[in-house]
Amino acid sequence: EIVMTQSPATLSVSPGERATLSCRASQSVSANLAWYQQKPGQSPRLLIYGSSTRATGIPARFSGSGSGTEFTLTISSLQSEDFAVYYCQQYNNWPYTFGQGTKLEIK
Amino acid sequence: QVQLQESGPGLVKPSETLSLTCAVSGYSISSGYYWGWIRQPPGKGLEWIGSINHSGSTYFNPSLKSRVTISVDTSKNQFSLKLSSVTAADTAVYYCARGPVSAKGYPGYFDYWGQGTLVTVSS
Repeated sequence: EIVMTQSPATLSVSPGERATLSCRASQSVSANLAWYQQKPGQSPRLLIYGSSTRATGIPARFSGSGSGTEFTLTISSLQSEDFAVYYCQQYNNWPYTFGQGTKLEIK
Repeated sequence: QVQLQESGPGLVKPSETLSLTCAVSGYSISSGYYWGWIRQPPGKGLEWIGSINHSGSTYFNPSLKSRVTISVDTSKNQFSLKLSSVTAADTAVYYCARGPVSAKGYPGYFDYWGQGTLVTVSS
């Protein structure tokens, strides 16, 4: 099973600043990596798939990069609605696995 | 607009079978995609349970495979999850979701999710 490790566990950033979230796979997942945003009491929302393709309706301030084992989600200028938990998911190998999440909180 | 809605008992006794259904609207299951189940224990992360397509091809998490059944009813545009021999460790919010077919022809990521339903395992 591929283990997905996200860092940091919690990230404190001020509104308007840039946030960089990391996701590392225990073995290569090529570019088969997705990012989700989850707010309290809500279901996850797809942000990025294929490592760098934004899902429908996702603002351009969200961008993804990486391949193989190292991936990054960048939020260029944080808005109040962006403070949430972010998960990465690999879909290259069975079973599909998620990272443990990064909580993005207001500084 | 694609919408998914989970339904089923919110309380299941230990050793019994958890049964959930996901009703899909705004898209015909017969038209394609994979349809999956994901769960999230309270305060914890996400765990993929398994996925099925319109023709009944299934993929399961090996850690749960011996206890999981996923089926699809295209006439009702819904799919279902059964998890047998449940314990307290199966207490979680259960989500159903839609997933595009990956380049390899398998399930991939999930683009539409239901709101989730909390299932508690307790006597």
